[in-house]
Amino acid sequence: DIQMTQSPSSLSASVGDRVTITCRASLTITTYLHWYQQKPGTAPKLLIDAASTLQPGVPSRFSGRGSGRDFTLIISSLQPEDFATYYCQQTYSTPHTFGQGTKLEIK
Amino acid sequence: QVQLQEAGPGLVKPSETLFLTCTVSGGSSSSHYFTWIRQSPGKGLEWIGYISDSGRTNSNPSLRSRLSMSMDGSKLSLTLSSVSTADTAVYFCARVRVRHYDSGSYSFYGMDVWGQGTTVTVSS
Repeated sequence: DIQMTQSPSSLSASVGDRVTITCRASLTITTYLHWYQQKPGTAPKLLIDAASTLQPGVPSRFSGRGSGRDFTLIISSLQPEDFATYYCQQTYSTPHTFGQGTKLEIK
Repeated sequence: QVQLQEAGPGLVKPSETLFLTCTVSGGSSSSHYFTWIRQSPGKGLEWIGYISDSGRTNSNPSLRSRLSMSMDGSKLSLTLSSVSTADTAVYFCARVRVRHYDSGSYSFYGMDVWGQGTTVTVSS
């Protein structure tokens, strides 16, 4: 299985901050890397597809980059509604594994 | 607009078999498969497996010996046998975009439509 390692596991930040979350795959996954946002009690929501493709309706303050093994999710200016848990997922090979999540909390 | 709705028993006894369904409304296409994902209490996301509209499946090796997935029209089904407390989780179904190549291979992208999830508790 491809292991996905996110860092940090948790993060405290303030509204307006720029935040970077990283995800590293144990093997190269080209750009088959996707980012999700999950708020308590709800299903995950796809933010970014294929490493850098912003999903319709997702604010442009979210961006993704990377290829191979290393990827980043960037939130350019945190808004109150962005406090949530973020997961990366690879679909390069099955099982389509997830990172352990990054919980973004209000400072 | 595609919507997904999971349904399940809520409570299952250890060693019994879990049956879940996911109803797809709003249509489907060969460009999309469906996946099952679960999330144990306070934990992260675990990929269970996928099924295509033609019934092709692939599943997590950690569950494969106990797992069966099927699709009948607009209804997905998941069966997990010999459950234990470790199977207590919220179970989601989701749609995943698939790209098919002339070679016959295919690749997967992100899961863009999710159901709201159904909670399953394994307890005697």
